[in-house]
Amino acid sequence: KQEVTQIPAALSVPEGENLVLNCSFTDSAIYNLQWFRQDPGKGLTSLLLIQSSQREQTSGRLNASLDKSSGRSTLYIAASQPGDSATYLCAVRPDTDKLIFGTGTRLQVFP
Amino acid sequence: EAQVTQNPRYLITVTGKKLTVTCSQNMNHEYMSWYRQDPGLGLRQIYYSMNVEVTDKGDVPEGYKVSRKEKRNFPLILESPSPNQTSLYFCASWAWENPGELFFGEGSRLTVL
Repeated sequence: KQEVTQIPAALSVPEGENLVLNCSFTDSAIYNLQWFRQDPGKGLTSLLLIQSSQREQTSGRLNASLDKSSGRSTLYIAASQPGDSATYLCAVRPDTDKLIFGTGTRLQVFP
Repeated sequence: EAQVTQNPRYLITVTGKKLTVTCSQNMNHEYMSWYRQDPGLGLRQIYYSMNVEVTDKGDVPEGYKVSRKEKRNFPLILESPSPNQTSLYFCASWAWENPGELFFGEGSRLTVL
């Protein structure tokens, strides 16, 4: 059974720091992996999608990598800002109908 | 504006009183899905639908029902709610040709006393 784990569960950093969020999964048979952002009282917003054949994706200050063989993905946030404060979730897609989510990393960036 | 709309956003009810959480999308998406989010457990899929009149169980379907009579709507029905169904519920939709672009509703916080 696919399990997705995110470490750390919570992170508090000063503004301007570069940081890395980790996601690991137990079964490497996935179609893709996706990173989401969740703000309090809001739904999820997709940040980056990495297909199983890809190694990384970039969007602005965000860079996500995927190492399928080791069952790991990282989300790198450059020059963090207070507006980046949110919960970050990774999810793997074992087939077209399902997404399996990790429990998230709650990030706080303070000025 | 492309959106997924859930109602109600907040609900407090009592054990055994049937309730329905509605979900509507305006993007003509084939796929729709319900998730529940609980502390320490993340989001877990309850039911999903691939198109009108086609639904299937997710990982935690017990105690829930769904229907897909129209493409835009995917209501979640709790026939006899119990306290362990207290949770934050999300509806999502996506097009079959673009499974990476999911649209989520803003969530429905349900409390069952």
